[in-house]
Amino acid sequence: DAGVTQTPRHEVAEKGQTIILKCEPVSGHNDLFWYRQTKIQGLELLSYFRSKSLMEDGGAFKDRFKAEMLNSSFSTLKIQPTEPKDSAVYLCASRLQSHEQYFGPGTRLTVL
Amino acid sequence: GDSVTQTEGLVTLTEGLPVMLNCTYQTIYSNPFLFWYVQHLNESPRLLLKSFTDNKRTEHQGFHATLHKSSSSFHLQKSSAQLSDSALYYCALSTGANTGKLTFGHGTILRVHP
Repeated sequence: DAGVTQTPRHEVAEKGQTIILKCEPVSGHNDLFWYRQTKIQGLELLSYFRSKSLMEDGGAFKDRFKAEMLNSSFSTLKIQPTEPKDSAVYLCASRLQSHEQYFGPGTRLTVL
Repeated sequence: GDSVTQTEGLVTLTEGLPVMLNCTYQTIYSNPFLFWYVQHLNESPRLLLKSFTDNKRTEHQGFHATLHKSSSSFHLQKSSAQLSDSALYYCALSTGANTGKLTFGHGTILRVHP
């Protein structure tokens, strides 16, 4: 079975740009998570979907971060506008209500 | 809200010595699920261990942990560290009642040297 896929693997953006990160969960999984990972903060939850419904939107990330799940097999995370402090690895994960999350390879974002 | 504490940011060990990474948690719910995820350099986190049974040891790939609800702990241990164990380790909590999300600790970097 294919695991979680994320594209692109690397993204470089200028400050103020809009970027869209993509995630395809494991087929059949109904929970999908977006995380931001930095050395200082560790793993921070950005968004959590269950059966395409938004369960949590990560509080502090609301203003410039928007995750969507248009269908059960595809999700996007839009950052608009980007700021240098957004430079991080963005991880997508999915699970089948078994509490075990499977992570994708991540997108490394650099904002100049 | 729920929280997970990993007291050590960095643990440095000599190969062959025992490993213990601390994890304690706080939750008002009585049936927590605890996890250890491991992340090697340039890879994404993957599940190492999980448990929801009080006082039962769970093992995988030489590592083991026991959930102790009385002390709200789920420490990760290994009898003999290997160079390949060098990685970032996250402890995480799910209660099932908080919409099912995982609450992660800040992570502990384990560095094993010869």
